[in-house]
Amino acid sequence: DQQVKQNSPSLSVQEGRISILNCDYTNSMFDYFLWYKKYPAEGPTFLISISSIKDKNEDGRFTVFLNKSAKHLSLHIVPSQPGDSAVYFCAAIYIQGAQKLVFGQGTRLTINP
Amino acid sequence: GAGVSQSPRYKVAKRGQDVALRCDPISGHVSLFWYQQALGQGPEFLTYFQNEAQLDKSGLPSDRFFAERPEGSVSTLKIQRTQQEDSAVYLCASSATAGLGNEQFFGPGTRLTVL
Repeated sequence: DQQVKQNSPSLSVQEGRISILNCDYTNSMFDYFLWYKKYPAEGPTFLISISSIKDKNEDGRFTVFLNKSAKHLSLHIVPSQPGDSAVYFCAAIYIQGAQKLVFGQGTRLTINP
Repeated sequence: GAGVSQSPRYKVAKRGQDVALRCDPISGHVSLFWYQQALGQGPEFLTYFQNEAQLDKSGLPSDRFFAERPEGSVSTLKIQRTQQEDSAVYLCASSATAGLGNEQFFGPGTRLTVL
């Protein structure tokens, strides 16, 4: 069963506009949520995270929103830049155990000039 | 380099061969993770080490998969009698400590293709 879901395999956005990537999860035990960015032939790199006790975290052009009641989080990128074109993974983590990341399937974001 | 390195970057194996994949974590990092990423999917957890102790191997898909980290630094993921469904990118990640929220730094992965 897929505990973390990214239902949009791809997203295309015009440069300068806002990109919104969505993620849903099913397990209310997750304590922490993260977004990773991945370029081809490279490993995922950490982008931004949010604790389950917060509803928003902002870092420059990147903002993550968490709606615990809906078990939904989103990543906003504004303004979008060509270098943002990559695959974005949403991930969740338990406080107990190994802190292993549970990933979604990923969304390929393409920023068009 | 200061990042996580993995070797080989690409491996082609014939079905039934044994393979060994190496991970060099960031120096001093306590935690080490292995993930498997199938084509078009997100990475899936395989196993976790804290120093040399393998604390969680719940994600290993079968007893053909074995991982070790004997001195608490370099780790090797071994797959015996490879099968076509083992074809995937194998990612290694390390983090400085074992606490919640500690960023996991990923290596570039090893792409395994089993013919």
